[in-house]
Amino acid sequence: RKEVEQDPGPFNVPEGATVAFNCTYSNSASQSFFWYRQDCRKEPKLLMSVYSSGNEDGRFTAQLNRASQYISLLIRDSKLSDSATYLCVVNVWANAGKSTFGDGTTLTVKP
Amino acid sequence: DVKVTQSSRYLVKRTGEKVFLECVQDMDHENMFWYRQDPGLGLRLIYFSYDVKMKEKGDIPEGYSVSREKKERFSLILESASTNQTSMYLCASSLQGRQYFGPGTRLTVT
Repeated sequence: RKEVEQDPGPFNVPEGATVAFNCTYSNSASQSFFWYRQDCRKEPKLLMSVYSSGNEDGRFTAQLNRASQYISLLIRDSKLSDSATYLCVVNVWANAGKSTFGDGTTLTVKP
Repeated sequence: DVKVTQSSRYLVKRTGEKVFLECVQDMDHENMFWYRQDPGLGLRLIYFSYDVKMKEKGDIPEGYSVSREKKERFSLILESASTNQTSMYLCASSLQGRQYFGPGTRLTVT
């Protein structure tokens, strides 16, 4: 079993749709959580951190459920430019360098 | 903004050659990483370093070595390149758990 698991998709949605991705992690000692975005043939870039109380950044909302060991990313009012692969990232220690990446969920937003 | 640069965007090498991939970060981060990314396999950690002259093996270190002589620079070395090392290589540095990636080097070994 992988330490971090994501549904690979692809998710194909129309513009304006709301879409949600989930990610599960196996290590209950995990301390910090992030979502990254990776465009085709580009490097991953930090999208947002995920906090225990949940957090929002514009159209993006991230949530953490420690009891069930999953994190989620909700994208509202999808734009064409949201098309990318979204990577879930988990660190066992809050400030540790080493991260465990999920394999990513691919989103395509269509006109 | 954090800037991580890699020495080459594209590289073509022959089987058996020694290959050097270099990575430089400008934010004084202590932690640096080398990954490879292949279709269907996700990001796989090759080596990481948490300080100058310190290194730790990642998940797939075989066939690779690293060097960190200065804090800002982390080099990946393929001692004798093989065709199964054809891949996208990504370098990253991190602060407080957040990783910042370079643009990647697409290496082809023929």
